[in-house]
Amino acid sequence: QKEVEQDPGPLSVPEGAIVSLNCTYSNSAFQYFMWYRQYSRKGPELLMYTYSSGNKEDGRFTAQVDKSSKYISLFIRDSQPSDSATYLCAMSGTYKYIFGTGTRLKVLA
Amino acid sequence: EPEVTQTPSHQVTQMGQEVILRCVPISNHLYFYWYRQILGQKVEFLVSFYNNEISEKSEIFDDQFSVERPDGSNFTLKIRSTKLEDSAMYFCASSTRTGGSYNEQFFGPGTRLTVL
Repeated sequence: QKEVEQDPGPLSVPEGAIVSLNCTYSNSAFQYFMWYRQYSRKGPELLMYTYSSGNKEDGRFTAQVDKSSKYISLFIRDSQPSDSATYLCAMSGTYKYIFGTGTRLKVLA
Repeated sequence: EPEVTQTPSHQVTQMGQEVILRCVPISNHLYFYWYRQILGQKVEFLVSFYNNEISEKSEIFDDQFSVERPDGSNFTLKIRSTKLEDSAMYFCASSTRTGGSYNEQFFGPGTRLTVL
């Protein structure tokens, strides 16, 4: 079983839609859960992080962590064409981050 | 806003040659990392570095790889004898702290390594 699993997509949605991105994981030692956005041939850029279980909201973005199910989500409300990118989940317990494969999102105008 | 920088942006090399990828972490950061991303695949951890020592390394980081902080600002990744499968984007990251509390890792723009 992979440590972190993420559907690679691609996911195409119309502008204004609510987008749901998800990852599952197997390592119960993970404590920090991050969502990064990556544009083509660029470095990952942090969107949000969450510690342990719970929800966190930042503008149009909401991150959810359910440690009991080992499942994390990122919701994007009122999606915009500029949100088109690859979204990476990442998790950590100690030094290293473990990334998912990334979900490619395309928001159509 | 402070940022991690990496040079070169693109490196082309012949198989078997040595390459050194350079990174300048954010100035007050103490923890440094290298990750790689093979085209179309996920970002993979290679190594973390603190206090002039490797803190953790992955199975990818074999004897062909080494890291160094040669001075107060640079952090380098050396690949001794490149192989075709080393072709990837290499990302440097840095953070102020690690383990036990949240450590946001700030990523550089990456160096694209092409091994011919």
